[in-house]
Amino acid sequence: GEDVEQSLFLSVREGDSSVINCTYTDSSSTYLYWYKQEPGAGLQLLTYIFSNMDMKQDQRLTVLLNKKDKHLSLRIADTQTGDSAIYFCAESDANRDDKIIFGKGTRLHILP
Amino acid sequence: GAGVSQSPSNKVTEKGKDVELRCDPISGHTALYWYRQSLGQGLEFLIYFQGNSAPDKSGLPSDRFSAERTGGSVSTLTIQRTQQEDSAVYLCASSLGLANHNEQFFGPGTRLTVL
Repeated sequence: GEDVEQSLFLSVREGDSSVINCTYTDSSSTYLYWYKQEPGAGLQLLTYIFSNMDMKQDQRLTVLLNKKDKHLSLRIADTQTGDSAIYFCAESDANRDDKIIFGKGTRLHILP
Repeated sequence: GAGVSQSPSNKVTEKGKDVELRCDPISGHTALYWYRQSLGQGLEFLIYFQGNSAPDKSGLPSDRFSAERTGGSVSTLTIQRTQQEDSAVYLCASSLGLANHNEQFFGPGTRLTVL
């Protein structure tokens, strides 16, 4: 089956940029997503990108998609303590009834 | 309510018992999804509903798992004869419709612990 891979941990100093990377195997993904999960809370959709786009920017968030390499990244500019959370990369495919497949999540730790 | 709600928030049960997990989607959302988040694992898709209908049940881990939705609103996920490997956080999400699957709103989850 299709798979989504991401590193499990990332530590970043407050004020620096965070870059969370993700790779996936589905060559016909329709949408790619980034979700944020704070402790004790449900998943929050941060942003998503359609597969025919290569970049999307929303305030401090920048998503880059390299479809050829099946690589997705999320950049958080000026990382704040409130950004501390687990970030899940995910993808869906219209050929697969749009079921979303998630990675295991990257825990972002903010250093003072 | 303003968001997706789930109950109970925590459930501890003994191996072999049945459990029912409840999801209240956002009012007006016709599509509803169940996921499972096991320790150290990503989210695993279980089942989705469009209205009261679940066209594909192949994501359910075993025949001990079943789900239903009535009135196009509340959904229950039932696990019969629970096993320790069923311990996980069960997340529910809803969207306006299946066409809006890319904008799913998630509930806080039910943490199930099977002793």
